[in-house]
Amino acid sequence: QQQVKQSPQSLIVQKGGIPIINCAYENTAFDYFPWYQQFPGKGPALLIAIRPDVSEKKEGRFTISFNKSAKQFSLHIMDSQPGDSATYFCAAASLGKLIFGQGTELSVKP
Amino acid sequence: DTGVSQDPRHKITKRGQNVTFRCDPISEHNRLYWYRQTLGQGPEFLTYFQNEAQLEKSRLLSDRFSAERPKGSFSTLEIQRTEQGDSAMYLCASSLVGGTGEKLFFGSGTQLSVL
Repeated sequence: QQQVKQSPQSLIVQKGGIPIINCAYENTAFDYFPWYQQFPGKGPALLIAIRPDVSEKKEGRFTISFNKSAKQFSLHIMDSQPGDSATYFCAAASLGKLIFGQGTELSVKP
Repeated sequence: DTGVSQDPRHKITKRGQNVTFRCDPISEHNRLYWYRQTLGQGPEFLTYFQNEAQLEKSRLLSDRFSAERPKGSFSTLEIQRTEQGDSAMYLCASSLVGGTGEKLFFGSGTQLSVL
């Protein structure tokens, strides 16, 4: 019940494409859903986050879509750039503790 | 840069040795977390502190692991009698309850290799 399942495991898109990463959770006590970006040799960095009372949130080229009834949420990256190539993690939080998905390795080809 | 600082960045040790890692959180943050990350996986929660109190420990944290946060500032994570399965990146994160809330700020981690 504490798991967060993330897919796909890896993703390759062309520059300008819109990669979509999906996550699903089971625990309805989760009340905060962030996405983190991680580059090799670095710790994860917060990208964007959403609460379950909102169905969509946009920050720059990043958009989270949230479906509370399906217990699913996704990250869309508009106009993707080679600099977006990184590993992306979804997470879910309850009482301040984050549970992470398994990660998606994104490669954006020039 | 006043982000989360971890030391050392890399540690190579032999099986059976003890190792200790240090984390310095963002100065005003009152929560401090330890996570472990293995290659190709997401970070796994180990333990967290609010000020100097250790509030939760994962069952992943065996008796060989101990964490402290004296005076509610920096934290140390010690692994006794290391095993090859302990090889991983150990990440520290901090947050401000009532401020950044669930926004965790991560350090760059300590990469542990047990030979």
